[in-house]
Amino acid sequence: ENVLTQSPGTLSLSPGERATLSCRASQSVSSTYLAWYHQKPGQAPRLLIYGASSRATGIPDRFSGSGSGTDFTLTISRLEPEDFAVYYCQQYGSSPWTFGQGTKVEIK
Amino acid sequence: QITLKESGPTLVKPTQTLTLTCTFSGVSLSTTGVGVGWIRQPPGKALEWLALIYWDDDKRYSPSLKSRVTITKDPSKNQVVLTMSNMDPVDTATYYCAHRVRDIASGIYYSAFDVWGQGTMVTVSS
Repeated sequence: ENVLTQSPGTLSLSPGERATLSCRASQSVSSTYLAWYHQKPGQAPRLLIYGASSRATGIPDRFSGSGSGTDFTLTISRLEPEDFAVYYCQQYGSSPWTFGQGTKVEIK
Repeated sequence: QITLKESGPTLVKPTQTLTLTCTFSGVSLSTTGVGVGWIRQPPGKALEWLALIYWDDDKRYSPSLKSRVTITKDPSKNQVVLTMSNMDPVDTATYYCAHRVRDIASGIYYSAFDVWGQGTMVTVSS
């Protein structure tokens, strides 16, 4: 299976700062079938990005995704208070679909 | 608007079989491309994909759980059912069902999940 490794484990930033999250796959992700979610405590995950760079419906443009092959990045241009959460990447290029272990973005 | 909701027992005993139902609205599992998946999350841990069923009854399972998990659908009831046998305390988790995303520009469905249920917490304990 395609193992996804996210880094860093925790990112401590202030509102208004830029966040850069990494997701590295153990095998190439076919057709850039890579998604990003965030999850707040007690809530279900919310899809932010699919196809490595396409924003899901209703997602603000401060969220952007990039990458291909085995290296992918989620960038949040200016952190808003509601963006502090845990972020997961998911690959769906090959079964079994797999998730990364998560990156927590916390308020500094 | 698409909505999904999970239902099932909150407590099961070790070795028992868990049956969870995902009831959805705003979408039809008879429509080409549509799919519903199950994902779980142990307390404080990461997400784990379990199974996915497509509109054409094609199914995919996590290899680590394939011998224990079955996914079925009933389009007439707008339901997808997950059964997991031989439950163990390590299966304690919040179980989510979720809908495959449809790219608005192309109309193509992908196996990222854009609409999730609220989740149902299942505890395995004697």
